Amino acid sequence: QLQLQESGPGLVKPSETLSLSCTVSGGSISTPKKYWGWIRQPPGKGLEWIGTIHYTGDTYYNPSLKSRITISIDMSQNQFSLKMTSLTAADTAVYYCAKDEGTSWYHDWGQGTLVTVSS
Amino acid sequence: QSALTQPASVSGSPGQSITISCTGGSSDIGAYNNVAWYQQHPGKAPRVVIHDVSLRPSGVSDRFSGSKSGNTASLTISGLQAEDEADYYCSSFTRSTTHVFGSGTKVTVL
Repeated sequence: QLQLQESGPGLVKPSETLSLSCTVSGGSISTPKKYWGWIRQPPGKGLEWIGTIHYTGDTYYNPSLKSRITISIDMSQNQFSLKMTSLTAADTAVYYCAKDEGTSWYHDWGQGTLVTVSS
Repeated sequence: QSALTQPASVSGSPGQSITISCTGGSSDIGAYNNVAWYQQHPGKAPRVVIHDVSLRPSGVSDRFSGSKSGNTASLTISGLQAEDEADYYCSSFTRSTTHVFGSGTKVTVL
């Protein structure tokens, strides 16, 4: 049974950088036809796709966030990460990591981690 | 990129069928058969109920069905049950090799 677990700070100050990791267990992150993604959901609002990475290092980003985000992968740790710079209150959200089955649908999700941007 | 358009809310009585629409454009839904639907209960992570327009993952009730016509995808829930009350989101692959979600629909079982 594949499991994904997000980890990172729950509180970040405005203008600072957010770093989140997603640890994958029960399966390999280097599965050829699968991708690994980040999705967020502001409190009371809808889902927003952040970006996706393949184990080869290919990345795909939401154009509206592209200038502020970097997604990377660490196969030795079986985890992938999200870095987001210049945070504002608008970045307050539950951040989910998930596995893309290869045709743009996410079957396995982490439980989500709430990140609050506040001084 | 703009979110796909969904109705804010849809309701139905137990046993009835409801349909949720998801409207995009020629660069997403209209161009690809990579439409998925997610169910999300309060405080929980989303769960996929339909992928690739009309395919159901293992373990998902056959009361959920999906379809697509032009730039609009649809999710139908038949035999509505109390447990179906949740938020539903569509999603699609896009021509710019990105991914976009719908605005979300709250389903209420009367």
